[in-house]
Amino acid sequence: DAKTTQPPSMDCAEGRAANLPCNHSTISGNEYVYWYRQIHSQGPQYIIHGLKNNETNEMASLIITEDRKSSTLILPHATLRDTAVYYCIVRAPNTGNQFYFGTGTSLTVIP
Amino acid sequence: NAGVTQTPKFRVLKTGQSMTLLCAQDMNHEYMYWYRQDPGMGLRLIHYSVGEGTTAKGEVPDGYNVSRLKKQNFLLGLESAAPSQTSVYFCASSYSRTSGSSEQYFGPGTRLTVT
Repeated sequence: DAKTTQPPSMDCAEGRAANLPCNHSTISGNEYVYWYRQIHSQGPQYIIHGLKNNETNEMASLIITEDRKSSTLILPHATLRDTAVYYCIVRAPNTGNQFYFGTGTSLTVIP
Repeated sequence: NAGVTQTPKFRVLKTGQSMTLLCAQDMNHEYMYWYRQDPGMGLRLIHYSVGEGTTAKGEVPDGYNVSRLKKQNFLLGLESAAPSQTSVYFCASSYSRTSGSSEQYFGPGTRLTVT
């Protein structure tokens, strides 16, 4: 699975959009980009995933560059409850194997 | 749906004691996983299972054993606990798909301290 690079920490003002970047320059053609978050030692929570196209769900939007070497997770209106560690993971489908979580980005939403 | 549940939530062991952590899922997922998370670090895979009766080693399997006798349950055993096994343990499950993606669903964790 391709390695990802994320900034260790970010701040965002409450109510503003939080844009979390992820570099995955060695991603393969069949590898998906996943985003998870972990709030204060709870179990990780799935947010969104995508292959090539941009994706949106009720939690967030995922923007993947055309060359697929980087992506951005967007939380459109950050709240204090979005304070968490966000993990970007790339993984091939149906490998039956683990997700490599790395250390992620610690996002702090400031009132 | 309860999703993924783990028992116990907390446990304190003395060095050399044994224990079993239970993970249960009610989503009919084929795949199940056990991870550990140490302070300030990401999750690391201990063992995983791609179906009933099958298990495989992950990144950090030493000192642990697992069993998947029923599809909905995945047990993690520590035969002789060591202080280095003090950690938070997370269980996860996912579907198996021949194509496309398969996200994992996580339990709330078990906090284990070995003294």
